[in-house]
Amino acid sequence: DQQVKQNSPSLSVQEGRISILNCDYTNSMFDYFLWYKKYPAEGPTFLISISSIKDKNEDGRFTVFLNKSAKHLSLHIVPSQPGDSAVYFCAASPYNNNDMRFGAGTRLTVKP
Amino acid sequence: NAGVTQTPKFQVLKTGQSMTLQCAQDMNHEYMSWYRQDPGMGLRLIHYSVGAGITDQGEVPNGYNVSRSTTEDFPLRLLSAAPSQTSVYFCASSYTTGVGGYTFGSGTRLTVV
Repeated sequence: DQQVKQNSPSLSVQEGRISILNCDYTNSMFDYFLWYKKYPAEGPTFLISISSIKDKNEDGRFTVFLNKSAKHLSLHIVPSQPGDSAVYFCAASPYNNNDMRFGAGTRLTVKP
Repeated sequence: NAGVTQTPKFQVLKTGQSMTLQCAQDMNHEYMSWYRQDPGMGLRLIHYSVGAGITDQGEVPNGYNVSRSTTEDFPLRLLSAAPSQTSVYFCASSYTTGVGGYTFGSGTRLTVV
């Protein structure tokens, strides 16, 4: 069963606008949530994370929001840049456990 | 600092052959994992390790074996390759679980014919 779901396979936005990528999860034991970015022919790169005791975490242009009651998190990129074009993976793991699960990914295209 | 190194980058196997995908990290990370990436399915966890001598199964362990004799190395063995194991394989390591994030290798593209 897929415990982490990214229901939008792709997203296209204009440069300078906001990109919002969504992720849902089913396992209430998840304590940590992470976003990774992946370019073709490369491994995923860690972007930003949040623990379940928080509802928001910011790092520059990237903000992750967590809604535990809805089992939903989102990644906001503001402003979006063409270099942000990549596949974004949502991931989650339980507390103190190496068993990290990923969503299927969302391909973001930022148009100049 | 090489990070996570995976070899080979590409491999073609015949059905029934066995092989080992190599993964090495030089960051003294305790936690290591193997994932496979298939179209439309994201990354699925095969096996993981929380330290030398300790391994556990992930989401899709069948057909794969792992061992962790040293902190640095975490090889993945395909016992008898099947076409369903055609995939891109990623090894990852981290100094901690939780919000620290993993460092991934660049992947091994495996084709089983």
